[in-house]
Amino acid sequence: EVQLVESGGGLVQPGGSLRLSCAASGFAFRSYWMHWVRQAPGKGLVWVSRINGDLSTSTYADSVKGRFTISRDTAKNTLYLQMDSLRVEDTAVYHCVSGDSNTFDNWGQGTLVTVSS
Amino acid sequence: QSVLTQPPSVSGAPGQRVTISCTGSSSNIGAGYDVHWYQQLPGTVPKLLIYGNNNRPSGVPDRFSGSKSGTAASLAITGLQADDEADYYCQSYDNSLSGSIVFGGGTKLTVL
Repeated sequence: EVQLVESGGGLVQPGGSLRLSCAASGFAFRSYWMHWVRQAPGKGLVWVSRINGDLSTSTYADSVKGRFTISRDTAKNTLYLQMDSLRVEDTAVYHCVSGDSNTFDNWGQGTLVTVSS
Repeated sequence: QSVLTQPPSVSGAPGQRVTISCTGSSSNIGAGYDVHWYQQLPGTVPKLLIYGNNNRPSGVPDRFSGSKSGTAASLAITGLQADDEADYYCQSYDNSLSGSIVFGGGTKLTVL
């Protein structure tokens, strides 16, 4: 059974940093693209970033480019999202998602990030 | 404002057929990129419902179908059931600017 378990969310002040982690199990982690997708409370889905299995390609939504960095550790089956210069509008539940380059197959429950002073 | 436009809400009675539209442009759906659909039941994470415009993952009933034409796509649900009440999102790729994966704003389906 595919399992994706996020951690690292919390309350942070504007301009602060957080590092999200996603522990993956039940599938061949290195063979799949991994994504972060966020959902603000009561709002729709927004794609944030993706990275491929061999770490050769990573892309970002314009709204986070230059502030967020996606990475993965194949040995630990773990996906990361380093979030710097956080803004109030980054407040959302952040989901770790596996799939191919443009499709989302399996979703984690998410971790809540709240940016507020 | 989402790159892909969906109606905020649709409704139908049990047993009826409803459709949800997803309108894009020449830089996404119209450029030939596939459209995918997700169902988000209340209090749950999204689930892949349709991929590659009109394909159903294993376990998705054939009451759900997708189509695409020009710069738009649509999701059809036949034989509407109470537990179909959910938010539905379309998703594609957009090649404008630096390129990005894009979602529609979501459509709330109410079963009357």
